[in-house]
Order: sequence, then C-alpha cells, then structure tokens
Amino acid sequence: KNQVEQSPQSLIILEGKNCTLQCNYTVSPFSNLRWYKQDTGRGPVSLTIMTFSENTKSNGRYTATLDADTKQSSLHITASQLSDSASYICVVCGTAGGSYIPTFGRGTSLIVHP
Amino acid sequence: NAGVTQTPKFQVLKTGQSMTLQCAQDMNHNSMYWYRQDPGMGLRLIYYSASEGTTDKGEVPNGYNVSRLNKREFSLRLESAAPSQTSVYFCASSEVRVSNQPQHFGDGTRLSIL
Repeated sequence: KNQVEQSPQSLIILEGKNCTLQCNYTVSPFSNLRWYKQDTGRGPVSLTIMTFSENTKSNGRYTATLDADTKQSSLHITASQLSDSASYICVVCGTAGGSYIPTFGRGTSLIVHP
Repeated sequence: NAGVTQTPKFQVLKTGQSMTLQCAQDMNHNSMYWYRQDPGMGLRLIYYSASEGTTDKGEVPNGYNVSRLNKREFSLRLESAAPSQTSVYFCASSEVRVSNQPQHFGDGTRLSIL
C-alpha cells in the first residue's frame, strides 16, 4: 500500500530560526513529490514539485530535497517568519496503468513564535 | 484572479438530506478533483475528472457522485448524507491529470452532518 509518513507531527520554533521537516514514502512507481503549505482555514498551496531526477529545489526561503534511493524528502525553512505558521503537507504522486491517485501525508504543523 | 472557487463555505445537514457542493475554476485547466480532509488524516481523493466529459473514482468514492458540467465546473453530490461524511471538502484543478504541474486548491467547504 502506498504510504507517506511525515515527521515531526508538530513543531514550535522561534521567529528567525531554521527548521527541517521530513517525509518518507513508499509510493511506487514514483512520478513526483510535492510540498504544499496549508494555512488554517485555507486550501493547500504548492511550494515545490520534484521529479525523480531532481534532488533539490528552492522557492524563496523554502528548500526541498529528494533522495529517490532512500525514498526520503525534506523541506528546509530558512529564517522563519510568523507567516510560516501553517501545516506543511508532503504529497507523492505515482503512475500505474493509467490510474492517478496522489498519496498525501498527514502534514507537519509548524508554529512560529515571536 | 479567483483561481478555484467553492460554494458554500459552510453547511450543516441532517442525516439523509442531499446537497451539491459547487466548484469552478477560471484557469482553463483540463483536470479537476474532489478531496476530503479529516482530522489527523491526509487528504483523500474522492473523484477526479481528467478532462471535460470524463470522471473517474478516486480512493473514497462511496456515497458521492460527481458531474463535470463544463470545462470550468465540477460538482460533488451527496445523495443521502451520513455523519461519516462530516469533513472539509476541497476542490482542485490542474492543467492536465498526470503532470509535473501543481494542483490549485479552493479554500474548502466545511460540511457537518448531524
């Protein structure tokens, strides 16, 4: 069964600090891996998308890494801001026989304190 | 730039009632999706429409029906609501079904069934 596991479940950091969120997956065959940010009461917003051949991708202060061999990804947030407080969701997309069902992780809830 | 618009934002139903959740996108995307998000779980795909005129089941389709009314609109219908369908429902769209382009999400419909 395809699975996406995220850690930690929740994280509290001080404004200005860096943090790293983890994502492990067992989706096969692999198509791409996505990180989304979901603010409270809003829909998810795409941060990065990485294919098998990409091992790092940045979007401003967000940097995602992918190790397709170990099936692990991380999202690093640099110089955190209060507006980074949100849930961060890892999504792994697989393709098999024409069906397309992305597998979502449960998310990491990040709280940034002043 | 409206993006993906969902209506209503909130709804309370009694068990056995029916209702239709509406979704419209203005990005000329071919593919549209319906997800549900429950506490402590990742988003789960209910149905998707790869292109106008086609619909397919996702991971949790039981108890739901969908209609791709035209390229812009994709509705989700609960024929006989059950308490287990209490959830937050998200509609999303993307250029094509299987691609490295992001999905764009609406802000959700919060549905409670008593």
